[in-house]
Amino acid sequence: EAGVTQSPTHLIKTRGQQATLRCSPISGHTSVYWYQQALGLGLQFLLWYDEGEERNRGNFPPRFSGRQFPNYSSELNVNALELEDSALYLCASSSSNQPQHFGDGTRLSIL
Amino acid sequence: QQQVKQSPQSLIVQKGGISIINCAYENTAFDYFPWYQQFPGKGPALLIAIRPDVSEKKEGRFTISFNKSAKQFSLHIMDSQPGDSATYFCAASKARDDKIIFGKGTRLHILP
Repeated sequence: EAGVTQSPTHLIKTRGQQATLRCSPISGHTSVYWYQQALGLGLQFLLWYDEGEERNRGNFPPRFSGRQFPNYSSELNVNALELEDSALYLCASSSSNQPQHFGDGTRLSIL
Repeated sequence: QQQVKQSPQSLIVQKGGISIINCAYENTAFDYFPWYQQFPGKGPALLIAIRPDVSEKKEGRFTISFNKSAKQFSLHIMDSQPGDSATYFCAASKARDDKIIFGKGTRLHILP
């Protein structure tokens, strides 16, 4: 069974640009979660999508947004990139009342 | 507000010893407490999890102890091995498929 896959592995942007990160969940999982792992801040919940709807949102500004497609894959968009957005962005997936399984993340570097 | 507090930040244990990581939580609405293991360059992997109606859960060399009244839980790694060297995160959520609140992590190093 394929795990959660994320692309790209690494992404380099400059301040003010926009970044798009992608996630494919485990087959059969309908929920996708996004977390940010920044140095010194640990793992922080960003967004939760289930059946195409946003279920919950963490304490992040509106320039962090996303969506879930009919095939349950998901995109995370970050607009007006700032230096502090440099982090590992992790995607996880689960099905109803099941544990979350994580991908290996996208390393976003802002120059 | 740090809802899940984890200690120590780093831990060095001799091979064969017992590694102990402690966590405390604040929100009594939490109903699911997973532990994740993360190796460099990889995403967190679910190690073991517990619900608050159970005081202890053991899976192989890994044991979670849970004290609901004190709102504390801990991970014990028995017979620690060099391959256990990783960062460990305790976490809490209101359900298995709800958002996860993570502790800050413990970097564990097992000396060969």
